[in-house]
This record gives sequence, structure tokens and C-alpha cells, in this order.
Amino acid sequence: AQSVTQPDIHITVSEGASLELRCNYSYGATPYLFWYVQSPGQGLQLLLKYFSGDTLVQGIKGFEAEFKRSQSSFNLRKPSVHWSDAAEYFCAVGSRRALTFGSGTRLQVQP
Amino acid sequence: GAVVSQHPSRVICKSGTSVKIECRSLDFQATTMFWYRQFPKQSLMLMATSNEGSKATYEQGVEKDKFLINHASLTLSTLTVTSAHPEDSSFYICSALTGGGAPETQYFGPGTRLLVL
Repeated sequence: AQSVTQPDIHITVSEGASLELRCNYSYGATPYLFWYVQSPGQGLQLLLKYFSGDTLVQGIKGFEAEFKRSQSSFNLRKPSVHWSDAAEYFCAVGSRRALTFGSGTRLQVQP
Repeated sequence: GAVVSQHPSRVICKSGTSVKIECRSLDFQATTMFWYRQFPKQSLMLMATSNEGSKATYEQGVEKDKFLINHASLTLSTLTVTSAHPEDSSFYICSALTGGGAPETQYFGPGTRLLVL
């Protein structure tokens, strides 16, 4: 069975600091990997996705993620966080259609 | 592109009544849509997969007679919560699957907050 682990429930960073959100997955085949962001009371917005090819994926809002097969990880990074990045971040893994989500990481940004 | 809308954004109803939530793909056709439920401070739990022109596929533990899903067109899926009770209060989110030759991606609606009194 597929599963996703986001070890950090809550992270606080200062504005302008770098960010890394961790995601580890368990999946039997080559996974499709996604990062979504959710603002309070809102739906999910796709930040980036990995299907194949270059293991470093660029997304929207200056985010990137790196797929590391040997570590079963797909960590999300941003070099300089903005106050507007405060939100809940979900990593997801799946086949062509079915997605399994991690439990989410809440990001707080300090001024 | 790939915009998904939901209506209503929030609804309050009395216990025992039924509530219908609409999910629309605005700028693409979606043969498959998904319905998720999200409790406060928790992740999304898949409830069912909605396929255009056929019966929905429900996840284990989800009552198909309570959560009626209709996917009547390539741009619209509806979720009806029948005989709603306070424990059905939650945030319901739909997603629509883009198709075509490329690997498919789910795009999510803004969610519907349901409060059953």
C-alpha cells in the first residue's frame, strides 16, 4: 500500500530565510509525486509535480522539489520565504489517478 | 487553465435535510472527478471517484447511500449528502482530473464547508 509521511507537523521560519519541507513516500512502482498548498478555508493549489526525467522540479511561487529515489523522498524547498507563503503544505503520491496525501505541514512565517 | 469551482462555498443546514454540492471544471473536460473530505487540521481523505456516465466508486467505509454522487456531464459532478447529521459537518473538496496524453493531474476546487445543526 502506498503511504506518505510528512515528519514535520509545524514549521516556523523567518521571512527571507530558506525553507525545506520533508516528504517521504512508500510506493511499489515509479511514483507520481505532487506538492500542494492550502490556505485556510481554501482548496488545494498545485505547486509542482514529478512524473519522470529531471529529478529537480521547478514549480510556481519560487518553489522547487527534488526526487531522490534512494531515499524515497521528495522534499520541497524555497530559497527565500515570503510572508504570503504561510499555509498548509501537502505532499501526495499516486498512480495515474489515485492520490494518497501526507498529513500536511503547517508553515508559519515570522516577520 | 485547469480551474475547478465548487458551489456553494459554505452551507448550513438542519439535521435530517439533504445538501447538494456541485463541482465544475471550468476550462477543461474531466471524465473523472474525486470527492474528498477534510476534518480540521487533518489531511484529505478520498471518499469516492466519480466517473462521467457511470457509477461512482466509493472508498471503504464511505456509505454510498448517504453520499450520492452524480457525474452527468464532462464538466459537472455533484455530491449530495442525504439526511445530514452533525457528524457530517466537514470541509468537502472536489478535484478534476485532466486527461490527454500527458500523465494526469488533479486540480482542486476551493472546497465547501458544511455545517449541520
